[in-house]
Amino acid sequence: DQQVKQNSPSLSVQEGRISILNCDYTNSMFDYFLWYKKYPAEGPTFLISISSIKDKNEDGRFTVFLNKSAKHLSLHIVPSQPGDSAVYFCAAKKNMDSNYQLIWGAGTKLIIKP
Amino acid sequence: DVKVTQSSRYLVKRTGEKVFLECVQDMDHENMFWYRQDPGLGLRLIYFSYDVKMKEKGDIPEGYSVSREKKERFSLILESASTNQTSMYLCASSLAVPYEQYFGPGTRLTVT
Repeated sequence: DQQVKQNSPSLSVQEGRISILNCDYTNSMFDYFLWYKKYPAEGPTFLISISSIKDKNEDGRFTVFLNKSAKHLSLHIVPSQPGDSAVYFCAAKKNMDSNYQLIWGAGTKLIIKP
Repeated sequence: DVKVTQSSRYLVKRTGEKVFLECVQDMDHENMFWYRQDPGLGLRLIYFSYDVKMKEKGDIPEGYSVSREKKERFSLILESASTNQTSMYLCASSLAVPYEQYFGPGTRLTVT
């Protein structure tokens, strides 16, 4: 049972345009969401997060939007750059989870075309 | 800067061998995690530890065990390696709050 779903295995975007990566979740007990970026042969690195009490969080070129009623979040990258080509993972934490486990999506491979 | 290191980047082992993967973090984090990453499946949690000598099973613990004798070190053990354990293994650590996990570079394990 996949509680966090990234339905697009890959996405191709022109350099300079907006990249939008999507993530859906099924568990209404999730209260904190994170995006990670992973290059080949490296571990994932934390990108940006959002608490369920917010609907938007921005950090430079990266913005995460949360729509709780739709159980959907998205990561916007503007403008997209070649170095953004990577696999992006969405992750979620359950409210009241004392062990701080994260539930991970399968990832979306973003390809930025020059 | 948080640093998480893993003992090997690449490892090739034979079926039936005992395999040790070591992870060390230098930021005094309480929580440590072992994941495996396979294409199309994302990150799947094998085991995690929230304190020294404490461990809990994740989603796919079968065929694995762990050891945490010191706060900074978390070891993953494959008692008898099998070909279906060929994968990328990722170690991570975190504080209780915030929840961000910091990852090591990964170990690409091939079992032949």
